[in-house]
Amino acid sequence: QKEVEQDPGPLSVPEGAIVSLNCTYSNSAFQYFMWYRQYSRKGPELLMYTYSSGNKEDGRFTAQVDKSSKYISLFIRDSQPSDSATYLCAMRGSYIPTFGRGTSLIVHP
Amino acid sequence: EAEVAQSPRYKITEKSQAVAFWCDPISGHATLYWYRQILGQGPELLVQFQDESVVDDSQLPKDRFSAERLKGVDSTLKIQPAELGDSAMYLCASSGSRDDTEAFFGQGTRLTVV
Repeated sequence: QKEVEQDPGPLSVPEGAIVSLNCTYSNSAFQYFMWYRQYSRKGPELLMYTYSSGNKEDGRFTAQVDKSSKYISLFIRDSQPSDSATYLCAMRGSYIPTFGRGTSLIVHP
Repeated sequence: EAEVAQSPRYKITEKSQAVAFWCDPISGHATLYWYRQILGQGPELLVQFQDESVVDDSQLPKDRFSAERLKGVDSTLKIQPAELGDSAMYLCASSGSRDDTEAFFGQGTRLTVV
């Protein structure tokens, strides 16, 4: 079993939908939880991160962490075709981040 | 806008040949990472530098892979000899320090071994 599990999708939604992306993990030492977006043939870019449990909101994006369930989520409101990309969760305890395999999101007009 | 530079963008090489990738991190960033990303998978850390020192290379296949960051600035990742299974995207990232949560990625080098 991998330390970080993420459904690869693809997840296809209509424009304007609310998108929910999720990861589960097994290492209770993880304290920092990140979400990266990766467009095709590009490097990942950080969207947002949270420390420990709780919620964090940034514009149309909301990140949630439930450490008791070892479950993290990224919600995208009012999804746009430009949101079509692969979304990678990542997490770390000390200095070495561990990535999920990414979920491919397709937002169609 | 500061960015992580990588070259080449694409590389095709025959198996058993040597191949090298170069990375120039954002100016002033002390921490540099090399990741390998196989198609459909997340990035896997190969090596992490703090300045010129290797702080983690536990996942680096040391029989064929080597990495250096001699002056603590740019870095080179080498594979010799390349194998078919090395075909992947090789990503370089940098951050201000090991404590920083945000790492900035370059565009990667897409390696195809034939």
